[in-house]
Amino acid sequence: SQQGEEDPQALSIQEGENATMNCSYKTSINNLQWYRQNSGRGLVHLILIRSNEREKHSGRLRVTLDTSKKSSSLLITASRAADTASYFCATVAGTASKLTFGTGTRLQVTL
Amino acid sequence: SAVISQKPSRDICQRGTSLTIQCQVDSQVTMMFWYRQQPGQSLTLIATANQGSEATYESGFVIDKFPISRPNLTFSTLTVSNMSPEDSSIYLCSVDGLGGASSYEQYFGPGTRLTVT
Repeated sequence: SQQGEEDPQALSIQEGENATMNCSYKTSINNLQWYRQNSGRGLVHLILIRSNEREKHSGRLRVTLDTSKKSSSLLITASRAADTASYFCATVAGTASKLTFGTGTRLQVTL
Repeated sequence: SAVISQKPSRDICQRGTSLTIQCQVDSQVTMMFWYRQQPGQSLTLIATANQGSEATYESGFVIDKFPISRPNLTFSTLTVSNMSPEDSSIYLCSVDGLGGASSYEQYFGPGTRLTVT
């Protein structure tokens, strides 16, 4: 079953603006990851944040994790049309590698 | 990183038939997984493909419907058996454990888009 709920379900912004997506989950985790999917194709790993970390950066991406609230956010700064995709959070519980995906956010970046 | 290929990339099948999807990785990996993504939905893990032993299925998925093989560390197949229109989905394989150690980050194949009529 899906553990994570993401909001918003869909987000439309203009190029240059920032995009923020939120993910909530239900149980204790080892780490939380964000993936991008373009047009129903394979997923691309974006960033991983461990349960003992609170914030992580990678290029234009900023991820925060609040384990007390069981929530995470993904911020994409200075968005580009090429960022148009679906974004999924996924959690790993315990030491197993299995991913449990959130419901996803569809991001549309317009020129 | 790993390069993962899947065959076929898409197929249209009649109900009652079966389709076998192949997943090939360009290097040895410890873990291989199969996911289903129903139209407009997120990904759901079907099973973990274990090399040399039976796959480990998630709740709601059974071996008779989704038999899986993993004969070596670079290849796996998923069969969707006795298909119905409800099986229309994208099926994706993923891998973890490049070089033997799990990093928890998974690399995904491009997916197989299955339509059952």
